[in-house]
Amino acid sequence: AQSVTQPDIHITVSEGASLELRCNYSYGATPYLFWYVQSPGQGLQLLLKYFSGDTLVQGIKGFEAEFKRSQSSFNLRKPSVHWSDAAEYFCAVGAAGGGNKLTFGTGTQLKVEL
Amino acid sequence: DTAVSQTPKYLVTQMGNDKSIKCEQNLGHDTMYWYKQDSKKFLKIMFSYNNKELIINETVPNRFSPKSPDKAHLNLHINSLELGDSAVYFCASSQALGALNTEAFFGQGTRLTVV
Repeated sequence: AQSVTQPDIHITVSEGASLELRCNYSYGATPYLFWYVQSPGQGLQLLLKYFSGDTLVQGIKGFEAEFKRSQSSFNLRKPSVHWSDAAEYFCAVGAAGGGNKLTFGTGTQLKVEL
Repeated sequence: DTAVSQTPKYLVTQMGNDKSIKCEQNLGHDTMYWYKQDSKKFLKIMFSYNNKELIINETVPNRFSPKSPDKAHLNLHINSLELGDSAVYFCASSQALGALNTEAFFGQGTRLTVV
């Protein structure tokens, strides 16, 4: 069964600083990996996804993530954080053979200090 | 034009009541889902439907009954509501089962509070 671990429950960064949110997955085959963002009281918005090919993927809002098979990781990065990036971030792994369901990590809450 | 829409956005009800949450997607997707987000923000799949057929039922109590009248709609009916059912329920949709692109689009969520 697939699983996702987000080791950091809370992260606080200063505006303008760089950001890296960690995500480790467990899945027997080639995973489909996603990062979603949830702003307070809102639904989930897809930031980026990895299915195959280039292991460095670019997403919306200046985010990128790198798939590292050897480390079973898919960390999210942003070179310069904006105050509006404060939100909950979820990493997820999908499995086409498993009914297309997504298995989510427990989320990382990002706070941005001005 | 909202891709995945859920109604209502907020629902407050008493224990023992029966309630429904509706979901519609206009993306032409074949697969729809219900996810539950608990008070600790953990998201877990409840059901998945593909072309009106139940694909996934993740050991959800049978008080929860999804219904898909057509592939654009997936409603969730909950009988005999309990305090522990309080959560945010998200509807989502994605392209056909087995498709390479399994990106899911989520609705805004329905915050259910049982008192």
